[in-house]
Amino acid sequence: GAGVSQSPRYKVAKRGQDVALRCDPISGHVSLFWYQQALGQGPEFLTYFQNEAQLDKSGLPSDRFFAERPEGSVSTLKIQRTQQEDSAVYLCASSLAGTGRSGTEAFFGQGTRLTVV
Amino acid sequence: SQQGEEDPQALSIQEGENATMNCSYKTSINNLQWYRQNSGRGLVHLILIRSNEREKHSGRLRVTLDTSKKSSSLLITASRAADTASYFCATDARGNTGKLIFGQGTTLQVKP
Repeated sequence: GAGVSQSPRYKVAKRGQDVALRCDPISGHVSLFWYQQALGQGPEFLTYFQNEAQLDKSGLPSDRFFAERPEGSVSTLKIQRTQQEDSAVYLCASSLAGTGRSGTEAFFGQGTRLTVV
Repeated sequence: SQQGEEDPQALSIQEGENATMNCSYKTSINNLQWYRQNSGRGLVHLILIRSNEREKHSGRLRVTLDTSKKSSSLLITASRAADTASYFCATDARGNTGKLIFGQGTTLQVKP
């Protein structure tokens, strides 16, 4: 596609509910990143995929957060048993380069705004 | 955790004036990037400066990097109302996979 696409744009979840956030990266992009952005803050790294391999998940805040990219394209970020502190904008980014090829521009999606009530 | 701080947190100027934003970071880097984020939207890449570069220009943007002070500045010349947005610096630390560590951001308002 023309850019990184994320869905849904907005999600309201009741506390304790499971949610799944989808990211469609730019076709052919090797790297895919998930970030969490709290209101008024900069994005914080959650996890990184190179193709289908999840190479870094050091930023996932708890074991309730799980991400996958089974075919090396579309990725899903799943949050189980959502809590109010999970309320944030979840941003997905993709880039052409793989590991060790830093310095390549990352393209961000519009984000999914999750509100846990 | 955030890599560093941006200064100022908020900036309000008149159209036509220049805007300068500063960013400090903590670790050694491969490169530093600046992004813009309009309200409720995703981030847009503006410019990348590598660790062996000291200054870079792109249109009305000028970025400087001082690795000895672990700091960078973004200058927007002849600002326009459309430049109103939040601006973030992001570092790509050495040894990383290309993941970015963002600052807190500077909110710029350009008044027409």
